[in-house]
Amino acid sequence: DSGVTQTPKHLITATGQRVTLRCSPRSGDLSVYWYQQSLDQGLQFLIQYYNGEERAKGNILERFSAQQFPDLHSELNLSSLELGDSALYFCASSVRGQNTEAFFGQGTRLTVV
Amino acid sequence: AQSVTQPDIHITVSEGASLELRCNYSYGATPYLFWYVQSPGQGLQLLLKYFSGDTLVQGIKGFEAEFKRSQSSFNLRKPSVHWSDAAEYFCAVAGLDSGTYKYIFGTGTRLKVLA
Repeated sequence: DSGVTQTPKHLITATGQRVTLRCSPRSGDLSVYWYQQSLDQGLQFLIQYYNGEERAKGNILERFSAQQFPDLHSELNLSSLELGDSALYFCASSVRGQNTEAFFGQGTRLTVV
Repeated sequence: AQSVTQPDIHITVSEGASLELRCNYSYGATPYLFWYVQSPGQGLQLLLKYFSGDTLVQGIKGFEAEFKRSQSSFNLRKPSVHWSDAAEYFCAVAGLDSGTYKYIFGTGTRLKVLA
């Protein structure tokens, strides 16, 4: 157990809908990272937060957004869902974002039908 | 900008054989390097990491990796593979990029182990 908790584990929804994925980082970790893993794209970095502030953006679509709350948990919001958004979404956390490894949650498998 | 290349998408080895998974990185300074393993349906688990010091690092499950600065490589090795090692392996590089600490992952190498 990495200490990073992601909910839900599985999500099935229809095209055009909106979903929210939740991540609770390890206790004491200030940095949260979101990744998307699909069969054809590999592990793609989406966005990073550090202590509530957005720090870096990767290949995140405009239909996607995220935030990190004062208690350090993070949510990834995906809207106007398309079939191509079906993927595993991982959250990772690290202590300060520097000089440490990232710990990964078990992921949320999103299926858009 | 940072980048990681894992040139082998798939590798098949027999149980008991030795294993080497290749990883090349691009980064302007000394990087922090990691190998993660992902079993089917699971998250990524850290195998080992290199920050500084001895260039040969030992990890969990009998894995080791060697940092070679001259070759910009961080290859993962195991002397004798077990069937339970079948999984996908990701190399990652971390460091400051435009003022922000980032982790960049390779595309992964899927390992198949033959009995």
